[in-house]
Amino acid sequence: SQTIHQWPATLVQPVGSPLSLECTVEGTSNPNLYWYRQAAGRGLQLLFYSVGIGQISSEVPQNLSASRPQDRQFILSSKKLLLSDSGFYLCAFLSGDRGHTSNQPQHFGDGTRLSIL
Amino acid sequence: AQSVAQPEDQVNVAEGNPLTVKCTYSVSGNPYLFWYVQYPNRGLQFLLKYITGDNLVKGSYGFEAEFNKSQTSFHLKKPSALVSDSALYFCAVRDMSRDSSYKLIFGSGTRLLVRP
Repeated sequence: SQTIHQWPATLVQPVGSPLSLECTVEGTSNPNLYWYRQAAGRGLQLLFYSVGIGQISSEVPQNLSASRPQDRQFILSSKKLLLSDSGFYLCAFLSGDRGHTSNQPQHFGDGTRLSIL
Repeated sequence: AQSVAQPEDQVNVAEGNPLTVKCTYSVSGNPYLFWYVQYPNRGLQFLLKYITGDNLVKGSYGFEAEFNKSQTSFHLKKPSALVSDSALYFCAVRDMSRDSSYKLIFGSGTRLLVRP
């Protein structure tokens, strides 16, 4: 079966510290991968997506970056966190089995709640 | 521009009563539509999708959704609400840009509160 894992579940970091959030997918090859941020338990903002190893597209200018060092690994990073980086970060994947198709749903991990002090 | 609207921030319903969570969309061409549910401190869970075919789509946990092309709507419904259905619900439409991203455009979410 296809699964997605995010860690850590919660993180408290001081302003100016670095960040690394990791997301891994199992049970599928060549997935599309996505990082979202959710503020105040409401709308989702797409931050980055990746259609292959080393291929990263940024949706909004910001203090964060993403990398995809392996097929099923997606990392969200920052060199210096800002207060505005607080939020709930969600990773999602679109299965690559039988090729990507528009009618497949994205599947989400359980998220990382990031608090900046 | 492609967009999804969920006009209600919150929907309140008594347990046992039918519920409807509204969604309207704007895309070019035929839409691919999705509903997700989110419980506190959890990720989004896929409920159902409309791609083509029957306008009434059945999904998980007794939920269904009705696609209406003329009204560009995809409302989520359940005949009898449960207290455990209380959660945040998101409607989404596939971004039909001609790339390989298969991004989703999400509505702002509707909080469903089911009273005992």
